Amino acid sequence: QVQLQESGPGLVKPSETLSLTCAVSGYSISSGYYWGWIRQPPGKGLEWIGSIYHSGGTYYNPSLKSRVTISVDTSKNQFSLKLSSVTAADTAVYYCVRRSFSDYWGQGTLVTVSS
Amino acid sequence: EIVLTQSPGTLSLSPGERATLSCRASQSVSSSYLAWYQQKPGQAPRLLIYGASSRATGIPDRFSGSGSGTDFTLTISRLEPEDFAVYHCQQYGSSPFTFGPGTKVDIK
Repeated sequence: QVQLQESGPGLVKPSETLSLTCAVSGYSISSGYYWGWIRQPPGKGLEWIGSIYHSGGTYYNPSLKSRVTISVDTSKNQFSLKLSSVTAADTAVYYCVRRSFSDYWGQGTLVTVSS
Repeated sequence: EIVLTQSPGTLSLSPGERATLSCRASQSVSSSYLAWYQQKPGQAPRLLIYGASSRATGIPDRFSGSGSGTDFTLTISRLEPEDFAVYHCQQYGSSPFTFGPGTKVDIK
């Protein structure tokens, strides 16, 4: 059974960098597919942040592109998200997902941006 | 960027009734790369439909998707109690992948 699990700080200060990691079990990232991040502000809709292919090719949402970096570590079977210069508008539940149409989701992790 | 519009915003129905949800795109969705998700409070979304009409693994056949180009539909043939939730559509044919605002199906 494929499982994804997000981890990282639940509280980030404004202007700092949000860093999350998604550990994948039950499937080897090296085997293929895109791996991505989606976020959902409290009470709002879903926003695609970006995706990375197992070989490292990336796609980012242009609205966030200047601040986002997604990377993959196949040796640890995990991928990561970094979002720089965060503000309160970046407060959201962050999900990691498999594939462009997200067939597997992590449980989500709430990240709050506040001083 | 492809903008997705979902209607209605809220659909109030009784168990056993048929639900028809609409997702309209601002431009044609490449290769019908349109997905539908169900989300319940406090949970991650669950994939229901991909490729506009293909059911995901384990999804009951009361859920069906149809459409192409700019107009897509999710139909729930007979609502079960566990189907009351928010439904999101997503296009993944062109970057940036985008989501609709969601349709809430609640109990009448």
